[in-house]
Amino acid sequence: DQQVKQNSPSLSVQEGRISILNCDYTNSMFDYFLWYKKYPAEGPTFLISISSIKDKNEDGRFTVFLNKSAKHLSLHIVPSQPGDSAVYFCAASVPGANNLFFGTGTRLTVIP
Amino acid sequence: EAGVAQSPRYKIIEKRQSVAFWCNPISGHATLYWYQQILGQGPKLLIQFQNNGVVDDSQLPKDRFSAERLKGVDSTLKIQPAKLEDSAVYLCASSYLISYEQYFGPGTRLTVT
Repeated sequence: DQQVKQNSPSLSVQEGRISILNCDYTNSMFDYFLWYKKYPAEGPTFLISISSIKDKNEDGRFTVFLNKSAKHLSLHIVPSQPGDSAVYFCAASVPGANNLFFGTGTRLTVIP
Repeated sequence: EAGVAQSPRYKIIEKRQSVAFWCNPISGHATLYWYQQILGQGPKLLIQFQNNGVVDDSQLPKDRFSAERLKGVDSTLKIQPAKLEDSAVYLCASSYLISYEQYFGPGTRLTVT
């Protein structure tokens, strides 16, 4: 049972424009959410996170928005750069647990 | 700071053979995780260690998979015997204590034929 879903397997965006990656979850117990970025032949690297007590967290060009009522979060990248081209994974965790539940990933391509 | 090291990077074996993967976490990281990532899916946790003790192995297929972390540093993950459905990338990650911000190694791509 996939508790974290990324329904868009791929996304293409022009350089300089905004990239919006979406993630939905089904488990209302999730209280912490993360985004990881993965380049080919490398492991995922942590990008940004958000606690369920917040609805927005910003770090430079990256902003994550959380809508708890809709069980939805999104990652905004502004402006998008060719180096942002990678697979982005959304992940979530429940209180007191240490394991992360990952989505299936969205491949972002930023076109120069 | 050196990252998480894994070896081998690639492995091809026949079904029913055995295989072992090695992981060396970031120095000072007490928590170590093994994930399985099947093509087209996100990583799925197999086992988590805190120092040399197992914290969570609920998703580990114990009839064929085993893992150990002797001395609380390096870890090995073994599959015996392998099945076709074990073909995946096996990712090792570590974190300082128990943390959601885990640092991943490059993974071992296993192909079972």
